[in-house]
Amino acid sequence: GAGVSQSPRYKVAKRGQDVALRCDPISGHVSLFWYQQALGQGPEFLTYFQNEAQLDKSGLPSDRFFAERPEGSVSTLKIQRTQQEDSAVYLCASSKLAGGEETQYFGPGTRLLVL
Amino acid sequence: TQLLEQSPQFLSIQEGENLTVYCNSSSVFSSLQWYRQEPGEGPVLLVTVVTGGEVKKLKRLTFQFGDARKDSSLHITAAQPGDTGLYLCAGVVALSGDMRFGAGTRLTVKP
Repeated sequence: GAGVSQSPRYKVAKRGQDVALRCDPISGHVSLFWYQQALGQGPEFLTYFQNEAQLDKSGLPSDRFFAERPEGSVSTLKIQRTQQEDSAVYLCASSKLAGGEETQYFGPGTRLLVL
Repeated sequence: TQLLEQSPQFLSIQEGENLTVYCNSSSVFSSLQWYRQEPGEGPVLLVTVVTGGEVKKLKRLTFQFGDARKDSSLHITAAQPGDTGLYLCAGVVALSGDMRFGAGTRLTVKP
């Protein structure tokens, strides 16, 4: 596709439910990033993939958060036993090459609301 | 506390006015980027600055990277309602290579 796409765009979950958020990066992009953006804040780094390898997961807030990119393209961010504080916009970004200096292209985000 | 502090947090001005948004840190960055984010969308890159003291212009927007590569500013001349949005700065930390965002400046330009 022409850009990064994410699905669903909106997700309402009851506290305790598991959710899965999908990211389709730009075709051929090596790097993929997940960010969490709380209301009124800038994006906070969650995790980074280079192809299928998860090289940095230091930003994941708890062991309830899990991300994968098994074939080096599509990625899924899974949140188990959702809590109200997980409510946020989850942004995915991809870049053509590896390295922090590469331009990141963002998807529109998934807005998660946990009731 | 945020690694990058943006000020002001909110700014509401009339069409035609000038404004400056600041992005400050005690850390050194190998590069710094400015993004604009519309409601319901992801951030879109406006500019990347990499050299201390660098100035880049994008139409009515002027971006400056501090000499010590710890801070940056965004100046908009003759603001228009179409400039309304959330402006985010993000820096690649020189020591770690990680990219970190500021909390953003929410700009409203009234016609």
